[in-house]
Amino acid sequence: NAGVTQTPKFRVLKTGQSMTLLCAQDMNHEYMYWYRQDPGMGLRLIHYSVGEGTTAKGEVPDGYNVSRLKKQNFLLGLESAAPSQTSVYFCASRTFSEQFFGPGTRLTVL
Amino acid sequence: AQSVTQLDSQVPVFEEAPVELRCNYSSSVSVYLFWYVQYPNQGLQLLLKYLSGSTLVKGINGFEAEFNKSQTSFHLRKPSVHISDTAEYFCAVSETGGFKTIFGAGTRLFVKA
Repeated sequence: NAGVTQTPKFRVLKTGQSMTLLCAQDMNHEYMYWYRQDPGMGLRLIHYSVGEGTTAKGEVPDGYNVSRLKKQNFLLGLESAAPSQTSVYFCASRTFSEQFFGPGTRLTVL
Repeated sequence: AQSVTQLDSQVPVFEEAPVELRCNYSSSVSVYLFWYVQYPNQGLQLLLKYLSGSTLVKGINGFEAEFNKSQTSFHLRKPSVHISDTAEYFCAVSETGGFKTIFGAGTRLFVKA
């Protein structure tokens, strides 16, 4: 059981470039989440999904898009990266009472 | 809507001393409460959770927390900390039956020898 995995672990982008972060879980969870973590701000919800084919906006969705084509995968896209998107990104999946987090992706936008 | 306030951004403490990390929340509906721990360069992992029942909840690594509904608090305690407890701790709340979890800003626990 790998749990929640994230790809890549690190990435450096230039302003305006695009990229996709991949999250995969092998626990058959319906709910999946993308958060960003910035110093002193805790985790802020970007987008989430309550099942295959469904997505919804969280607290800070601007500049990001997501897709959940398969139950086990949740993709986070940045179409035109900005320095304000420099952050650590965490994916999580959830049972009714607990979230399971991936190891994170550290993204720097220059 | 819910919110979570962690009252201390940093807590330095000597090894084997007791520690309390404070968390207050606000919500107009019933909630589940959580504490997560994040070690350097890792994701978050669950320390303990309150869903219902006994207000004193025991978690992993000797931590416990008490749910106080009248004071809307969920403080985390450990009677004797170790160097290995150095990490960032996050309090979180979710509406019962809801989809989202709201996290506090985190408390950095630094255990000194």
